[in-house]
Amino acid sequence: EPEVTQTPSHQVTQMGQEVILRCVPISNHLYFYWYRQILGQKVEFLVSFYNNEISEKSEIFDDQFSVERPDGSNFTLKIRSTKLEDSAMYFCASSENARPLEQYFGPGTRLTVT
Amino acid sequence: AQKITQTQPGMFVQEKEAVTLDCTYDTSDQSYGLFWYKQPSSGEMIFLIYQGSYDEQNATEGRYSLNFQKARKSANLVISASQLGDSAMYFCAMREGQVGGSYIPTFGRGTSLIVHP
Repeated sequence: EPEVTQTPSHQVTQMGQEVILRCVPISNHLYFYWYRQILGQKVEFLVSFYNNEISEKSEIFDDQFSVERPDGSNFTLKIRSTKLEDSAMYFCASSENARPLEQYFGPGTRLTVT
Repeated sequence: AQKITQTQPGMFVQEKEAVTLDCTYDTSDQSYGLFWYKQPSSGEMIFLIYQGSYDEQNATEGRYSLNFQKARKSANLVISASQLGDSAMYFCAMREGQVGGSYIPTFGRGTSLIVHP
């Protein structure tokens, strides 16, 4: 069964550093998403991406964040100048269409900012 | 106001028993979708079940069913014949279908389910 994959599974970085979280969505999916979940809290939407541009983003997704689809398979989330409060689990998801009955989530990347 | 409310921070159930996880939602949209996800201790988010606001029948997927009461704005998840592997966090989520197509989903805070042998 096709699945969304994410690398790395755990990333530790120092405050102020840049990190890139990588995702490989399901191959025939066209819509891509990033979510984050601070430990013990609810999942929060960050951004959705379609046709090589951002289609929606939340208030959390400020200038510190950017997304890119550098090639036909990868979808990345870049966090510039990380802060302690960026420590969270980051989930990538993909869906076949804009009104998905379901989004397929990846296993997540745990980001720890020290 | 919270758009998704899960009032049960934790639930316990005996193996093989059924359990209901509560979810109420708040929206003024006519078109919306309700989802349930399972998050085991390993962290990944697993889609379980979906209910569209116009679906007349309650959604079912194997041992999972969604008790959709539109007038009460509730979308409770029912897990029948609980298994030890059902122990996890369960999140209710809603996507509202507004004119212009805003589909930013909102998640509840989750319910931790522990299944006892």
